[in-house]
Amino acid sequence: EDQVTQSPEALRLQEGESSSLNCSYTVSGLRGLFWYRQDPGKGPEFLFTLYSAGEEKEKERLKATLTKKESFLHITAPKPEDSATYLCAVQGPGSARQLTFGSGTQLTVLP
Amino acid sequence: DAGVIQSPRHEVTEMGQEVTLRCKPISGHNSLFWYRQTMMRGLELLIYFNNNVPIDDSGMPEDRFSAKMPNASFSTLKIQPSEPRDSAVYFCASSFGTGGGREQPQHFGDGTRLSIL
Repeated sequence: EDQVTQSPEALRLQEGESSSLNCSYTVSGLRGLFWYRQDPGKGPEFLFTLYSAGEEKEKERLKATLTKKESFLHITAPKPEDSATYLCAVQGPGSARQLTFGSGTQLTVLP
Repeated sequence: DAGVIQSPRHEVTEMGQEVTLRCKPISGHNSLFWYRQTMMRGLELLIYFNNNVPIDDSGMPEDRFSAKMPNASFSTLKIQPSEPRDSAVYFCASSFGTGGGREQPQHFGDGTRLSIL
């Protein structure tokens, strides 16, 4: 069974204070690892897809990296508008399309 | 481009009533997913369709839940009869599935917040 564990559960940063969120996963044959951002009262918003170990993706202040066991979402010089819950999800092998989601990291960036 | 559209955004009803949630996927997407989100269990897949055909409904909690996709631009999730433990946020997502290789991301609607009294 695919498993995804995200840490920390909650993170408070000062504006400009860089940090990283962790997503550890167990899946037999990763077809894709996905990062989403979710704001209160909204649906998850797609950020990145990573397919193989060593891959990296960047968007503005966010950078996602992938190893064979975990993924990191690095946030450089965050701003208050980066406050949200960040979700990680994995997709395993075969024809199943199911995403297994972690419980998320709630990020608060203080001005 | 219009994203995934869900309606209603909020639904409050009494136990035992029928509830119907609606979803319009992104045009051109051939896969549609229904998820449920709760504080205790997070995001859970209920069912997904590929080319309007239900493929995996193993996440549907009980026979009280049913889903249909009569055409490529519309899907419903129905709960009959509803119970208080069905209270949650229900999300619809869509993606373009290529049938193999790299999986494309799922794009989510803003959900229906369902409260069963």
